[in-house]
Amino acid sequence: AQTVTQSQPEMSVQEAETVTLSCTYDTSESDYYLFWYKQPPSRQMILVIRQEAYKQQNATENRFSVNFQKAAKSFSLKISDSQLGDAAMYFCAYRSLNTGNQFYFGTGTSLTVIP
Amino acid sequence: ETGVTQTPRHLVMGMTNKKSLKCEQHLGHNAMYWYKQSAKKPLELMFVYNFKEQTENNSVPSRFSPECPNSSHLFLHLHTLQPEDSALYLCASSQERYGYTFGSGTRLTVV
Repeated sequence: AQTVTQSQPEMSVQEAETVTLSCTYDTSESDYYLFWYKQPPSRQMILVIRQEAYKQQNATENRFSVNFQKAAKSFSLKISDSQLGDAAMYFCAYRSLNTGNQFYFGTGTSLTVIP
Repeated sequence: ETGVTQTPRHLVMGMTNKKSLKCEQHLGHNAMYWYKQSAKKPLELMFVYNFKEQTENNSVPSRFSPECPNSSHLFLHLHTLQPEDSALYLCASSQERYGYTFGSGTRLTVV
């Protein structure tokens, strides 16, 4: 089974600064999707960004961008110009294209934004 | 409002009680899921329904019983739970290769 590892249980960043959250995964598949989800205290899991494995170009969504290293099986999330509203748990997720709709999640990184 | 609604938001139940969690989506998605979220653990997939048919049951104890009467509604029936079943239960829906849309979850406490 695929595994997703987030090695940083907690991170903090100064407001307006940049922070990078790490994620690695283990798979033998060549095509898959990767996601970052945000879970604020309201508990709502919100999709932040998505990356298709067959695309070499890193996905970006406004202040959020990823560094996708397929050979290294690494998928980090960079948050630029951090805002107080970015404080949340962030989950990295892997979606297999071979096992139906199965997603695999990491254990999450708790991000604190310091004013 | 994200399109996936879960009720109730909070539930406290005794070990001998029977209760149900409800999930509703009006996004036209064809797959729905139940996940269990416990502190410091990855989200655990419990059940998957595709077009109302259960396609996965990840070794979930029989004290959890899912029901999917139609593609918009998903229930999780609970009976004789244990304290270790206390967790946040998340419902999600998806359409083909897109990401999940999650509900806000039900915080369950078993006493």
